[in-house]
Amino acid sequence: GQQLNQSPQSMFIQEGEDVSMNCTSSSIFNTWLWYKQEPGEGPVLLIALYKAGELTSNGRLTAQFGITRKDSFLNISASIPSDVGIYFCAGQLGGSEKLVFGKGMKLTVNP
Amino acid sequence: GAVVSQHPSRVICKSGTSVKIECRSLDFQATTMFWYRQFPKKSLMLMATSNEGSKATYEQGVEKDKFLINHASLTLSTLTVTSAHPEDSSFYICSARLGGARETQYFGPGTRLLVL
Repeated sequence: GQQLNQSPQSMFIQEGEDVSMNCTSSSIFNTWLWYKQEPGEGPVLLIALYKAGELTSNGRLTAQFGITRKDSFLNISASIPSDVGIYFCAGQLGGSEKLVFGKGMKLTVNP
Repeated sequence: GAVVSQHPSRVICKSGTSVKIECRSLDFQATTMFWYRQFPKKSLMLMATSNEGSKATYEQGVEKDKFLINHASLTLSTLTVTSAHPEDSSFYICSARLGGARETQYFGPGTRLLVL
């Protein structure tokens, strides 16, 4: 089935550093969503993107919908310990209600 | 807004029994809800799409008689794991689709199922 290539798979950073992650696909998506999941919890929506080239921020988080509609990135600036978790990208193909998920990026922030 | 709840949050049951998990959209109506299963350190695996008032659509390899889905109202979908076995132990997560021009899926907090 469809897959998204999400990278990196994990990152270990110091508090205060910035972090970037991205997702790519061979297919064109109409929607890109970024979620964060903490242990034992469901994914929480961080940012939703609906238009090629769209750049959206949510506090210290910034995400962009790639101009080719085949990729998206998420940046976290000035990381803090509570940013720890697994970040998933998800894309929605045109004409489909389903989401295709990346494999996740595990973020560890050292205080 | 856009809150989705799940109940129970965790359940332990004996092998052979059935377990029902509820998914509710608390502040919006969802004609479509989704059920996922997540294994440790893995991404979410879609099990089925639940449509209000009609039969659920199951993904390939998911047994519909094993995982019964009912979407009786615009705010409630249920997943029943029938005749549970230890291999059914997993983290089950539902999501609800908020439609419109800016369509999004909001997830519930998940249900941890342990079958002994």
